Amino acid sequence: KAGVTQTPRYLIKTRGQQVTLSCSPISGHRSVSWYQQTPGQGLQFLFEYFSETQRNKGNFPGRFSGRQFSNSRSEMNVSTLELGDSALYLCASSLGTGMLGTQYFGPGTRLLVL
Amino acid sequence: QQQVKQSPQSLIVQKGGISIINCAYENTAFDYFPWYQQFPGKGPALLIAIRPDVSEKKEGRFTISFNKSAKQFSLHIMDSQPGDSATYFCAALDQTGANNLFFGTGTRLTVIP
Repeated sequence: KAGVTQTPRYLIKTRGQQVTLSCSPISGHRSVSWYQQTPGQGLQFLFEYFSETQRNKGNFPGRFSGRQFSNSRSEMNVSTLELGDSALYLCASSLGTGMLGTQYFGPGTRLLVL
Repeated sequence: QQQVKQSPQSLIVQKGGISIINCAYENTAFDYFPWYQQFPGKGPALLIAIRPDVSEKKEGRFTISFNKSAKQFSLHIMDSQPGDSATYFCAALDQTGANNLFFGTGTRLTVIP
């Protein structure tokens, strides 16, 4: 079974631009969660989608948004990029909703904002 | 404000030794405590998890010890191996309100042969 895939793996943007990251979960998984990982703040939960609905949300500004499609693939969008948005963005998939089940993480998309 | 405090930041252990990583929290609403292992260039992987109604959980060489009254939990890696060299994150789940998962800052473990 293929793992969680994220595209692109690396991205360079400039301040003020917007970016869309994509995540394909493991086949059969209906939950996709997104995380931001930085050296300063560590791993932080962004949001979780299950059956095309946002179920849970972390403490990030509205510039961070996401969506999930009927095939469970998910996209995350960051608008009006700031330098501090430079980070590794990870998505994780699981069978059920919520965080209790085993989450399988993808390799991440490394975003650099200049 | 860091919801989950993790220590030490880095740890060097001899092969065969015991690695111990500690985490502490304040929020009594946390009710699920997973540990993740992350290798360079990879996403984290769930290692082991515990609920607060259990004081200890063991899976192979990995053991979580949980002290509910002290609001502390720790990961013990017995017979540490060079292949265990990775960054370890503790986390805590708050299922009330926003159902948010909070992570510790990570411990970089190096096991030397």
